[in-house]
Amino acid sequence: NAGVTQTPKFRILKIGQSMTLQCAQDMNHNYMYWYRQDPGMGLKLIYYSVGAGITDKGEVPNGYNVSRSTTEDFPLRLELAAPSQTSVYFCASSWRLGLKEQYFGPGTRLTVT
Amino acid sequence: GQQLNQSPQSMFIQEGEDVSMNCTSSSIFNTWLWYKQDPGEGPVLLIALYKAGELTSNGRLTAQFGITRKDSFLNISASIPSDVGIYFCAGQGNQGGKLIFGQGTELSVKP
Repeated sequence: NAGVTQTPKFRILKIGQSMTLQCAQDMNHNYMYWYRQDPGMGLKLIYYSVGAGITDKGEVPNGYNVSRSTTEDFPLRLELAAPSQTSVYFCASSWRLGLKEQYFGPGTRLTVT
Repeated sequence: GQQLNQSPQSMFIQEGEDVSMNCTSSSIFNTWLWYKQDPGEGPVLLIALYKAGELTSNGRLTAQFGITRKDSFLNISASIPSDVGIYFCAGQGNQGGKLIFGQGTELSVKP
């Protein structure tokens, strides 16, 4: 199993550009999550999904959108990139909502200038 | 909403020393988790705690779920250079089961 994979690993965006961060898992997990990690801070939950077709907002959803058309994939969309969205983004998945083993991807480092 | 305070923010220690870090919350958590994050990687789960007072070990790591359910501690004994990284606590409370993360403790180990 590859676990949780994320692409791209790095990206630089200009203000106002849009992009999609890809996340996929091959563990047949129902629950998937997107976090952002800012320097010196813990992980903040952006959006999560409890299964295909179902998504919900986390702590910091503004400026982002998600979709979950399949169990495996959970892309995160930035429509109008802003400097405040410069961060490292982590995707995670688990069997049950928030329960112990959340498996994390390697992260996407995004810079908006 | 629920928040976690993790301390210390950073630690610089000599190889072989023991390390202790903790997380506190103003509200009760039902589950405490400890993760380690290596540079450029995602967090990896170290220890999970489910009951107040629970003490669990994973090799040289020991974590405890506080009796009040508002705190947790992680101890690392006889530190080695590969212990370097950022350690995060995370709690699961009553907000729909989502995890709340502490700010992290950055550990540096000098050989």
